[in-house]
Amino acid sequence: DAGVTQSPTHLIKTRGQQVTLRCSPKSGHDTVSWYQQALGQGPQFIFQYYEEEERQRGNFPDRFSGHQFPNYSSELNVNALLLGDSALYLCASRSLGGSSYNEQFFGPGTRLTVL
Amino acid sequence: EDQVTQSPEALRLQEGESSSLNCSYTVSGLRGLFWYRQDPGKGPEFLFTLYSAGEEKEKERLKATLTKKESFLHITAPKPEDSATYLCAVKNAGGTSYGKLTFGQGTILTVHP
Repeated sequence: DAGVTQSPTHLIKTRGQQVTLRCSPKSGHDTVSWYQQALGQGPQFIFQYYEEEERQRGNFPDRFSGHQFPNYSSELNVNALLLGDSALYLCASRSLGGSSYNEQFFGPGTRLTVL
Repeated sequence: EDQVTQSPEALRLQEGESSSLNCSYTVSGLRGLFWYRQDPGKGPEFLFTLYSAGEEKEKERLKATLTKKESFLHITAPKPEDSATYLCAVKNAGGTSYGKLTFGQGTILTVHP
């Protein structure tokens, strides 16, 4: 049973550039969330996608956008990168149905470094 | 706004020395409290979900408990491989059922042989 997968593993960008991160959810899951984790901090919620629509959003600017595809995979796009965007970006998936619908499972993350 | 505070920030134990990690929370209606383990440079690994005060769950040397204001993660006779950052998160019952998780900053556990 494949878990949540993310690509790429690491990424280095310069200020002002744009970046796209990718996530494939765990088999059987239909909801994908994205989190940003700065060094030494807990993950911060960016947004969540279900049925190809953004359903809930955290306190992140419009530079952060996303997309969910019909196969439930998702992308996170960040425009006009700032030094402060350097972080581990985590994708989490879950299923809205079933007895364990609250449980979210995380991928290994993408380490983004902005120079 | 939901808030989660974990203590201590860091905990050093000798192998076999039992202890507890604390997670205090404020949330507008608790839909679930979650414990995760995170190794350096990796994504969080799901451990437990607790739904209501008085609930307890166990897995190997770990036991999680829940009250109306806090949760404890008890570690019995820890081993060096238990060294990791332990994260606590809550999900509130308001709004849609999609629900974000609000995390604490984590407790860094180091177990010395």
